[in-house]
Amino acid sequence: AQSVTQLDSQVPVFEEAPVELRCNYSSSVSVYLFWYVQYPNQGLQLLLKYLSGSTLVESINGFEAEFNKSQTSFHLRKPSVHISDTAEYFCAVTDGTDMRFGAGTRLTVKP
Amino acid sequence: DGGITQSPKYLFRKEGQNVTLSCEQNLNHDAMYWYRQDPGQGLRLIYYSQIVNDFQKGDIAEGYSVSREKKESFPLTVTSAQKNPTAFYLCASSIGGAGELFFGEGSRLTVL
Repeated sequence: AQSVTQLDSQVPVFEEAPVELRCNYSSSVSVYLFWYVQYPNQGLQLLLKYLSGSTLVESINGFEAEFNKSQTSFHLRKPSVHISDTAEYFCAVTDGTDMRFGAGTRLTVKP
Repeated sequence: DGGITQSPKYLFRKEGQNVTLSCEQNLNHDAMYWYRQDPGQGLRLIYYSQIVNDFQKGDIAEGYSVSREKKESFPLTVTSAQKNPTAFYLCASSIGGAGELFFGEGSRLTVL
């Protein structure tokens, strides 16, 4: 079965600074990769996904992630964060059967 | 509006009681999932179902049971055999395969 490791449990950053949230996965088959965001006491919302094609994928609110097959990574980046980006971020992987999630990274943006 | 509805949002129960959490979707999705969320542990898969009348155990199925009698519904029962049931429970659905998951708002169960 596939698995996901998020390398940082908490990432504090100042407003307008760049940020990278790291995600590594393991799988013996081809996978599809996702980043989800969760605000307090809510369900998760899709941020972006990689299914095939270009290895760089973008979200509508300025986040991007790059699929790196050789390093089995799918790191999430944003060049300039806002206070409103404060949330928990989850990396997820599926081989088409079930979806597995990482432990999450809590991003805190400080003014 | 299409979406996933979980109920109740908050639930308190005494130790030893079975509890059933409801999950309904009107997205016409084939696949449905139950996850448990604990602080610092992310989401752990309890059960999933790819089609009506069929479901598979996830990583932490012990002490839980599910049914999938209708496409729209995937209720989760937390039984008295679950040793530490206090958690946030999330239901999700997808079209299946590589489809993204759509989540409900969650149910927070507290066992007193």
